[in-house]
Amino acid sequence: DGGITQSPKYLFRKEGQNVTLSCEQNLNHDAMYWYRQDPGQGLRLIYYSQIVNDFQKGDIAEGYSVSREKKESFPLTVTSAQKNPTAFYLCASSIRTSWGDEQFFGPGTRLTVL
Amino acid sequence: AQSVSQHNHHVILSEAASLELGCNYSYGGTVNLFWYVQYPGQHLQLLLKYFSGDPLVKGIKGFEAEFIKSKFSFNLRKPSVQWSDTAEYFCAVNSHNNNDMRFGAGTRLTVKP
Repeated sequence: DGGITQSPKYLFRKEGQNVTLSCEQNLNHDAMYWYRQDPGQGLRLIYYSQIVNDFQKGDIAEGYSVSREKKESFPLTVTSAQKNPTAFYLCASSIRTSWGDEQFFGPGTRLTVL
Repeated sequence: AQSVSQHNHHVILSEAASLELGCNYSYGGTVNLFWYVQYPGQHLQLLLKYFSGDPLVKGIKGFEAEFIKSKFSFNLRKPSVQWSDTAEYFCAVNSHNNNDMRFGAGTRLTVKP
């Protein structure tokens, strides 16, 4: 099955701890993304990566970090510097075509910081 | 920076009613436009997309959207909704030249049986 997997589905952490969310895709897509979804605010872009070993900050990158060592993997670390980390996190990937990009989404990880 | 506005936060309809969800974007260049749907407990999935050509785009499950360039709008429509259309709907835009997608805040649709 081709697709995007995120693990775990639910994650609980204590305040002050760093936590890493996994995102893997086997679609051979070049670009990958991390979004945060909060009620009434839609999806906000945290980081994105267009190729391996390269990534750019999105609108709300503060308190987050990423790496892109492999094409199929784009893990997101929520650090203790993120002031309000409890949220639903969505990973996506896309492939560039001559007419545009379309993003495909994973099932998401719901992070709760206690 | 590009941005997307969805006019309605929560829409409640009865089955068989017609639906129109508004979406406006601000971006000066050539854009790609999308509507995504998130059914309760499920992945975000693509309903329809506009890249170029006919501004009236047909998607899955009887949805369609019309790109009106002069109004910077991409409203979603369905002539007759069903209870199973209850979901959250997101409009999104990116430019032809980069992957930087922007989403609207979403519209929650509740269809009463």
